[in-house]
Amino acid sequence: EVQLVESGGGLVQPGGSLKLSCAASGFIFSGSTIHWVRQASGKGLEWLGRIRTKANTYATTHAETVKGRFTIFRDDSKSTAYLQMNSLKSEDTAVYYCTREFLAHDSWGQGTLVTVSS
Amino acid sequence: QSALTQPRSVSGSPGQSVTISCTGTSTDVGGYNYVSWYQQHPGKAPKLMIYAVTERPSGVPDRFSGSKSGNTASLTISGLQAEDEADYYCCSFAGSDTDVFGTGTEVTVL
Repeated sequence: EVQLVESGGGLVQPGGSLKLSCAASGFIFSGSTIHWVRQASGKGLEWLGRIRTKANTYATTHAETVKGRFTIFRDDSKSTAYLQMNSLKSEDTAVYYCTREFLAHDSWGQGTLVTVSS
Repeated sequence: QSALTQPRSVSGSPGQSVTISCTGTSTDVGGYNYVSWYQQHPGKAPKLMIYAVTERPSGVPDRFSGSKSGNTASLTISGLQAEDEADYYCCSFAGSDTDVFGTGTEVTVL
């Protein structure tokens, strides 16, 4: 069974940093592109970025709204992807999901809540 | 990249059909056959319902169908059932290795 489990969310002050993890199981993680998507409370889904596989040079793309502040990376030996978030703002408060790209965003984690507040 | 435009809400009675539109531009919806649709129940993670405009993943009822014309994609739910009441989001590849989601549509079963 494909499973993605996000962790690392919590309360952080504006300007602070946080690193989210996405632990994968049930499929060949190293062969899969991983995305990060977020959803503020009562709002829609926002695509944040993707990281491709080693075969594709671990290429990353980040949405313009978070470019320069957020960085996606991965450790295939741990079957885990990460989202490093710096210079956090109140508007970054949201549930953060990782997804697997197979056909589309075919598998999603349960999400982890990030709250940016003083 | 601006979010794709969806109606805020649609509704229908059990057994009826409803269609949700997803309007983008020639640089996203109109430019690629990589439109997907997601169903999200309250407090749950989204679930893939349609990919590549018209394709249904295994396990998704054939009541759900997708289509595209120009810059607008559509999701149709035929034979509406109570469990179809949820939020629905479209998503499209938008070039330069980016994706963009739609604004979301709340489906209400009357």
